[in-house]
Amino acid sequence: AQTVTQSQPEMSVQEAETVTLSCTYDTSESDYYLFWYKQPPSRQMILVIRQEAYKQQNATENRFSVNFQKAAKSFSLKISDSQLGDAAMYFCAYRSTGTASKLTFGTGTRLQVTL
Amino acid sequence: NAGVTQTPKFQVLKTGQSMTLQCAQDMNHEYMSWYRQDPGMGLRLIHYSVGAGITDQGEVPNGYNVSRSTTEDFPLRLLSAAPSQTSVYFCASSTAGRVDGYTFGSGTRLTVV
Repeated sequence: AQTVTQSQPEMSVQEAETVTLSCTYDTSESDYYLFWYKQPPSRQMILVIRQEAYKQQNATENRFSVNFQKAAKSFSLKISDSQLGDAAMYFCAYRSTGTASKLTFGTGTRLQVTL
Repeated sequence: NAGVTQTPKFQVLKTGQSMTLQCAQDMNHEYMSWYRQDPGMGLRLIHYSVGAGITDQGEVPNGYNVSRSTTEDFPLRLLSAAPSQTSVYFCASSTAGRVDGYTFGSGTRLTVV
């Protein structure tokens, strides 16, 4: 079974600075998908960015980018120019490509953004 | 386009009571899932479905039942509520083809007293 590990329960960043959230995973599969979800205080789960394992190029969405290291099974999220609205819980998630694909989540990192 | 609709948003139950959490999606998604979220544990999969009439257990299925008679609906039933089922519950749906991640409902906060 796949596992996802987020080793940073809490992180803090100053507004306009850059922060990196870590995620590692364990799998025996060669093709899969990785995601970062954001959960603000509203509780809504918002997809931030996705990465397909067969693509070597790191995904980027505006201020959000990932560092995908397939051999090391690492998938970190970099947030540039941090904004107050980035404060939230961030979850890393894994999804296989099989028929019964489902998401496996890490335990989350709470990001605080300070002035 | 409503996406994934969960009802109710909040619920308090007494130990031993039963209830059904409703989930409906209007995106014609094949996959639907139920997760529970507990502090420090992330989201854990309860049950999932890959299509109408097909369901399977996830990581924490005990105490919960599901059925999927239509593509749109995937209700979660608590048969006899226990305090250990106090949690936030999320329903999510996804396509079977191009993977865009799951679309989540807004969650149900359930308290069992």
